[in-house]
Amino acid sequence: SAVISQKPSRDICQRGTSLTIQCQVDSQVTMMFWYRQQPGQSLTLIATANQGSEATYESGFVIDKFPISRPNLTFSTLTVSNMSPEDSSIYLCSVVTSGRQEQYFGPGTRLTVT
Amino acid sequence: AQKITQTQPGMFVQEKEAVTLDCTYDTSDPSYGLFWYKQPSSGEMIFLIYQGSYDQQNATEGRYSLNFQKARKSANLVISASQLGDSAMYFCAMRELGTALIFGKGTTLSVSS
Repeated sequence: SAVISQKPSRDICQRGTSLTIQCQVDSQVTMMFWYRQQPGQSLTLIATANQGSEATYESGFVIDKFPISRPNLTFSTLTVSNMSPEDSSIYLCSVVTSGRQEQYFGPGTRLTVT
Repeated sequence: AQKITQTQPGMFVQEKEAVTLDCTYDTSDPSYGLFWYKQPSSGEMIFLIYQGSYDQQNATEGRYSLNFQKARKSANLVISASQLGDSAMYFCAMRELGTALIFGKGTTLSVSS
């Protein structure tokens, strides 16, 4: 399985600020995704991070609020912009590796907005 | 549109007993995968088991098995010989070809001694 790291692991931020979350994978992957898990809820897909092009966002998520970059096959960032307390969630990076069906998750970034 | 349903918000089982966590799904795509994940209180998402839509046999991984009934569109997780460490949230998920996983609402499993 792929080893996925995320930075930071947690953060407490003030409303109106932005936070960039990094996701690094130890091997080349075919697909990378970003999910959000609000307190007590299931996981919701934010977007598919496409290498070298704009991310594909799910309904309810927009690029201005959640800009995503994926400059190569092993790295991606998610920025949570102009944060409000409603953005307090766990943000998870997830990947599918070449030739495999399994989808693995990073350890998550626990964000609290005050 | 694809959809995953987990109808059991919480399940309780005693150590060493087997437990079945229910999952039904809906998709019009003939090619899809079904997954189960465990999320302990630490928050990490642990991959447990995968079943492809064309797989003839039910998937097994140690104490985990997936009871795949394609005609009924169900993919129940069976945990044999429950352990205290199995207490966690369990998510059923599905992915159609070339897309991302979508998740059910989850089932909280509590194992008592």
